[in-house]
Amino acid sequence: DSGVTQTPKHLITATGQRVTLRCSPRSGDLSVYWYQQSLDQGLQFLIQYYNGEERAKGNILERFSAQQFPDLHSELNLSSLELGDSALYFCASSEGQYTGELFFGEGSRLTVL
Amino acid sequence: QQQVKQSPQSLIVQKGGIPIINCAYENTAFDYFPWYQQFPGKGPALLIAIRPDVSEKKEGRFTISFNKSAKQFSLHIMDSQPGDSATYFCAASNGGGFKTIFGAGTRLFVKA
Repeated sequence: DSGVTQTPKHLITATGQRVTLRCSPRSGDLSVYWYQQSLDQGLQFLIQYYNGEERAKGNILERFSAQQFPDLHSELNLSSLELGDSALYFCASSEGQYTGELFFGEGSRLTVL
Repeated sequence: QQQVKQSPQSLIVQKGGIPIINCAYENTAFDYFPWYQQFPGKGPALLIAIRPDVSEKKEGRFTISFNKSAKQFSLHIMDSQPGDSATYFCAASNGGGFKTIFGAGTRLFVKA
């Protein structure tokens, strides 16, 4: 158990809808990262937050947004969903703002029908 | 420059064999090279990591070899076991940056 909690584990929705994925980092970790893993694909970095502030952006679509709250949990919002957004979305956390070891949650599997 | 190229995509070995997974990078600013192991239905977990000031690091049956001049690094699994069957990701990051870049992953199957 990495100590990173993600909810929901599974989500099925329709095209055009909006969903929110939630992540609680390990106790004491200030950084949260979001990654997308599509079928047979690697882990694509989406965005990082450190202590409530956005620190780095990767290949995150404009339809996606994220935030980190004062209690350090983070939410990833995906809107105007398309079939191609179906993927596993992982949250990871680390202690500092510069990446070293990342601790991953078990992911949220999103299926868009 | 931000890519990490990983090969092979998949690998099948017999129990006791030594699978080798290779990665290459372009960005010389990278200074931390971890390997993550992912089992089905689970998130990736750190297996072993190396910094470019050493050429080799061993932890149990897992060894990273690092070639700074060639900008390549590899994972060797000694005496592989069926329980090692998983997807392995190499990655790279730098201390002044805020993100870890992952390779595409290698699906390893160890036959009993």
